[in-house]
Amino acid sequence: DAMVIQNPRYQVTQFGKPVTLSCSQTLNHNVMYWYQQKSSQAPKLLFHYYDKDFNNEADTPDNFQSRRPNTSFCFLDIRSPGLGDAAMYLCATSREMGSLLYGYTFGSGTRLTVV
Amino acid sequence: LAKTTQPISMDSYEGQEVNITCSHNNIATNDYITWYQQFPSQGPRFIIQGYKTKVTNEVASLFIPADRKSSTLSLPRVSLSDTAVYYCLVGGLEAGNNRKLIWGLGTSLAVNP
Repeated sequence: DAMVIQNPRYQVTQFGKPVTLSCSQTLNHNVMYWYQQKSSQAPKLLFHYYDKDFNNEADTPDNFQSRRPNTSFCFLDIRSPGLGDAAMYLCATSREMGSLLYGYTFGSGTRLTVV
Repeated sequence: LAKTTQPISMDSYEGQEVNITCSHNNIATNDYITWYQQFPSQGPRFIIQGYKTKVTNEVASLFIPADRKSSTLSLPRVSLSDTAVYYCLVGGLEAGNNRKLIWGLGTSLAVNP
């Protein structure tokens, strides 16, 4: 029944070694988001896709990239992970951008550890 | 976008009613109030949404006074499994690519035996 699926749940990567996190959805939602959440902090929006249109937050480091090859899948690429990138990465979807009407559906997250 | 302010943490005991208040002084006319719950190592999940007065579902109630500058999430008879972080969000229902939701720090609720 899971509607937003993130893989893997836990990822360990080496400092500087590229890593990709994946997200898939069965909701057919237009918008897919990637959030970074560090311990005891609120989720921080990194970027989002509205359909095929990519929107980067101004303060998202260049180290973070994203791809959305189709409606169902979205990937987060971290080109050179640093120790400060260790966090929970949350994927979310919504039917429309910014609208609370239908709410956000989140995946269970990927916990990234950088060693 | 309306900024929200919530208590950082709250403590309760099993079986008690818990009320978490969120302040949103600059809420806009078209803004709705939505609450999310987040368990450790999981993504947030929708609890309840409202515009004014009172909304109730199977999980919680949401009380919104006439001036809408605050709202109170009420959890009846909490159990240990209600230990989580609760986020209050304020935003409109209209879609728009420049509209984003800003997450505050949330309220960390600890339910004790």
